[in-house]
Amino acid sequence: EDQVTQSPEALRLQEGESSSLNCSYTVSGLRGLFWYRQDPGKGPEFLFTLYSAGEEKEKERLKATLTKKESFLHITAPKPEDSATYLCAVRPSGGYQKVTFGTGTKLQVIP
Amino acid sequence: SQTIHQWPATLVQPVGSPLSLECTVEGTSNPNLYWYRQAAGRGLQLLFYSVGIGQISSEVPQNLSASRPQDRQFILSSKKLLLSDSSFYLCAWTVGGGDGYTFGSGTRLTVV
Repeated sequence: EDQVTQSPEALRLQEGESSSLNCSYTVSGLRGLFWYRQDPGKGPEFLFTLYSAGEEKEKERLKATLTKKESFLHITAPKPEDSATYLCAVRPSGGYQKVTFGTGTKLQVIP
Repeated sequence: SQTIHQWPATLVQPVGSPLSLECTVEGTSNPNLYWYRQAAGRGLQLLFYSVGIGQISSEVPQNLSASRPQDRQFILSSKKLLLSDSSFYLCAWTVGGGDGYTFGSGTRLTVV
């Protein structure tokens, strides 16, 4: 069974204090790993897809990286508007419908 | 551009009452459609998915059902709600087996 574990569950940062969120996964052949941002009471918003180990993608202050066992979401010099829950998910190569989500990391950036 | 509409945003229903949540997608054809449920502190749980009109796959056999009467319309239903059905319900779509989902804004369902 595919599994996704995200850590930490919650993270509190001062504005400008860079950090990383972790997503550890086990999957029977990785078709894609996804990162989403979710604001309270709203649906998740797609950020990145990573397909193979060594791949990196960036968007503003966010940078996602991928290894064979985990993915990191690096947040550089965060701002209060980056406060949200960040979700990680994996899709196996054999069943493209079977996406497994982690429980997320709730990020709070203090001004 | 592609958009997804989900309504209502919030819903309070008594135990034993029926449920109908609707999701429509614009700007694309033959999308794969999904219903997810998200409980507090838990990951998103896939309930149903559909790859075409009238085709429904169930991941969680409970008192919920789904239907796809039109290409871009996906409906989540229940004949009799339970207290345990209280949750945040999300509709999503993709095209083919490609990149990540596009989610709707969600429906907060409270069963009282």
